Amino acid sequence: GENVEQHPSTLSVQEGDSAVIKCTYSDSASNYFPWYKQELGKGPQLIIDIRSNVGEKKDQRIAVTLNKTAKHFSLHITETQPEDSAVYFCAATPPYNNDMRFGAGTRLTVKP
Amino acid sequence: ETGVTQSPTHLIKTRGQQVTLRCSSQSGHNTVSWYQQALGQGPQFIFQYYREEENGRGNFPPRFSGLQFPNYSSELNVNALELDDSALYLCASSVDRATNEKLFFGSGTQLSVL
Repeated sequence: GENVEQHPSTLSVQEGDSAVIKCTYSDSASNYFPWYKQELGKGPQLIIDIRSNVGEKKDQRIAVTLNKTAKHFSLHITETQPEDSAVYFCAATPPYNNDMRFGAGTRLTVKP
Repeated sequence: ETGVTQSPTHLIKTRGQQVTLRCSSQSGHNTVSWYQQALGQGPQFIFQYYREEENGRGNFPPRFSGLQFPNYSSELNVNALELDDSALYLCASSVDRATNEKLFFGSGTQLSVL
């Protein structure tokens, strides 16, 4: 089955700087790659997603890039703000089942 | 439009007991998935229900079972609780297709097994 690895496990940046979180996946058949933000005491919230037929997607300060050949995808947050502080999860889903595999998470801290 | 709601928010059980967790899907969503999230880890897929039928299952034993009702709400039942079942149980719903795209998660039920 699919295996997703996520790095780094913790990331601390200064307000206004950029943050990058990287994930690799093992199953070349995976075709859907969402990113979730989880704040304390809440469930994960979808912030951006990308399908395998697209290389990059952007939504305001957030962007995701996908390299199918290398089987890795990244989350880029620009102009970080303290409210971006949370745990971020990447995930990957193959088309042949509904077993979405999540990375172990990255705890992002944005210091004012 | 109401979001995904789960009950109870917290639960304490002892080893060997049984537990039922409940989830109401977001309005207009007919697919419900359940995930287990251990402390410091990502969510792990338990199973999914689509139009009242199980539609995929992760690597969880049969003592984890579920139901989906005609109004698309769902229950997760766990029998013979073990200490390792202590975790946050998340319910997620999605709209009108049996896939994992655009999942909306509830805030979860924190289960502690003593």
